[in-house]
Amino acid sequence: GQQVQQSPASLVLQEGENAELQCNFSSTATRLQWFYQHPGGRLVSLFYNPSGTKHTGRLTSTTVTNERRSSLHISSSQTTDSGTYFCAIDPHDTNAYKVIFGKGTHLHVLP
Amino acid sequence: EAGVTQSPRYAVLQEGQAVSFWCDPISGHDTLYWYQQPRDQGPQLLVYFRDEAVIDNSQLPSDRFSAVRPKGTNSTLKIQSAKQGDTATYLCASSFGGRGNERLFFGHGTKLSVL
Repeated sequence: GQQVQQSPASLVLQEGENAELQCNFSSTATRLQWFYQHPGGRLVSLFYNPSGTKHTGRLTSTTVTNERRSSLHISSSQTTDSGTYFCAIDPHDTNAYKVIFGKGTHLHVLP
Repeated sequence: EAGVTQSPRYAVLQEGQAVSFWCDPISGHDTLYWYQQPRDQGPQLLVYFRDEAVIDNSQLPSDRFSAVRPKGTNSTLKIQSAKQGDTATYLCASSFGGRGNERLFFGHGTKLSVL
């Protein structure tokens, strides 16, 4: 089965609204990261967050390892937040860090 | 600090032609990854290296794709006989593989179109 699943597949918001993106992963997965990709742009790591909660600016990532889920919360969304957000994991906690991506959540923030 | 550098940025081929992609990772990063990202999809791991050794190439179509990292620094990904289904962006990423410092850094990618 798929080792990392993201939801929703796409999301449309009005500027100022909050967004909650979800990532569910297999039981042996670890070392979770969240990435952002602007259309046509480079993938950028937002958080390395294998467990617990991390904040940066308007972004908050919370990973609950024993429930095999992680969320990315975007508060007060802006049009510049539009793009695709990916969750990535190491599926088997390998010594060499194997990184597998989900299919992403496409976010579109309207002005 | 320089980021991950990839070249070329774009490539357009006819089916059956060969192409090579080049990647220069961040200095000191021992782990290097090649991903294929079809349009509007997530990156799909093709192969990754720790230093000069291939760790996992199970998703690399071995009949037409090859990847090397001979000195544990730069890497080349080659497609021997391109097919239309190879149309995608090819991404290189690097990281320092030690635990506790696993963030991946990506290059801009090479956008390949096979006609």
